[in-house]
Amino acid sequence: RKEVEQDPGPFNVPEGATVAFNCTYSNSASQSFFWYRQDCRKEPKLLMSVYSSGNEDGRFTAQLNRASQYISLLIRDSKLSDSATYLCVVNLGSTGRRALTFGSGTRLQVQP
Amino acid sequence: DTEVTQTPKHLVMGMTNKKSLKCEQHMGHRAMYWYKQKAKKPPELMFVYSYEKLSINESVPSRFSPECPNSSLLNLHLHALQPEDSALYLCASSQGATVSYNEQFFGPGTRLTVL
Repeated sequence: RKEVEQDPGPFNVPEGATVAFNCTYSNSASQSFFWYRQDCRKEPKLLMSVYSSGNEDGRFTAQLNRASQYISLLIRDSKLSDSATYLCVVNLGSTGRRALTFGSGTRLQVQP
Repeated sequence: DTEVTQTPKHLVMGMTNKKSLKCEQHMGHRAMYWYKQKAKKPPELMFVYSYEKLSINESVPSRFSPECPNSSLLNLHLHALQPEDSALYLCASSQGATVSYNEQFFGPGTRLTVL
């Protein structure tokens, strides 16, 4: 099993749709969680951190389920500009090897 | 200043060349990272510097040599690279000295082609 697993997609959705991505992680000791977005041939940009209580930023909502070891990202009222690859990042919280782990990304294509 | 800068943006080098990639941040961050990203793949961690000391080396070949001259600068020295080393090299920084809990901010990357 991969340490951090995401559905690669692509998710093709019309403008205005609501779309959700999940990301599962294998190590129960993981301590912090993030969603990044990456546009084609650009660097990853932090979208949001994921807190135990869940958090919302405008149209974006992130949630953490420790019992089932997954995090989710919900995008409401999708815009064309939301088209990107969404990377799940899980941090084991130690200075040891493999402490920072990226999922392979989920590609979202929002269509007019 | 809330950004990480990297130079050059693009680099083409032969297998016998020696070149360096540079990364700079002025956010007062104490941890800096080098990642390698191939097309359609996620970034792969190469090195982590914490308080200017190398804290993680992810079994990277010695033809890649990192250097942290001060808390704002991170270099990656390249020598005798192979064509398969062609990739986007990303630098990132985070506030804390340990890798835990900290959000990372990425530079725009250097797109490297090895001929």
